[in-house]
Amino acid sequence: QVHLVQSGAEVKKPGASVKVSCKTSGYNFTTYAIHWVRQAPGHRLEWMGTINTDNGNTRYSRKFQGRVTITRDTSATTAYMELSTLRSEDTAVYYCARNVLTTIFWFFDLWGRGSLVTVSS
Amino acid sequence: DIVMTQSPDSLAVSLGERATINCKSSQSILYSSNNKNYLAWYQQKPGQPPKLLIYWASTRESGVPDRFSGSGSGTDFTLTISSLQAEDVAVYYCQQYYITPPTFGQGTNLDIK
Repeated sequence: QVHLVQSGAEVKKPGASVKVSCKTSGYNFTTYAIHWVRQAPGHRLEWMGTINTDNGNTRYSRKFQGRVTITRDTSATTAYMELSTLRSEDTAVYYCARNVLTTIFWFFDLWGRGSLVTVSS
Repeated sequence: DIVMTQSPDSLAVSLGERATINCKSSQSILYSSNNKNYLAWYQQKPGQPPKLLIYWASTRESGVPDRFSGSGSGTDFTLTISSLQAEDVAVYYCQQYYITPPTFGQGTNLDIK
């Protein structure tokens, strides 16, 4: 059975950083890219960035460039998303999502259940 | 970035009736070299992550019931549920993957009338 299991909810203060994990199982980790998509209350789904799980290459949305870092640990079959300098507008559910097998087409056939990050003083 | 706009924002349909959701992209997402529209549809039920329903605008993902169908080309697309079932209550999103960044519509909330 294929799974993406994300880390639990976090509460952070403004200015802090958060690191969310996405543990994968049931498939060859390095065959599929992982993306991070967030959903803030009342907002649409928003793509943040992606990582090639084979070579570690990343690509980020211009909106988050400089604040987001996506990494992976191939031995742990886990991807990570770290967002720094948090502000209240970063309060959202953060999803990891698996890219379909053909890596040049960025749509997503499997999603984690999401990690709620709340930014509050 | 390509802006995806869905209509309506919310929709209530009787059980067994047809539901139609529209999605419009701010530029064409039809790639002329392969004649494919770079559009996907997702279903998100309360408390769950999105689930891929359709890609290439009209190809159903494995396991998706055939009452779900996608159509359209260029900038205008439609998701149709031919006979609404109770389990179809959800928010539906379109997404373009023609250019980076991939972008989503604002969502359409589908409920039972």
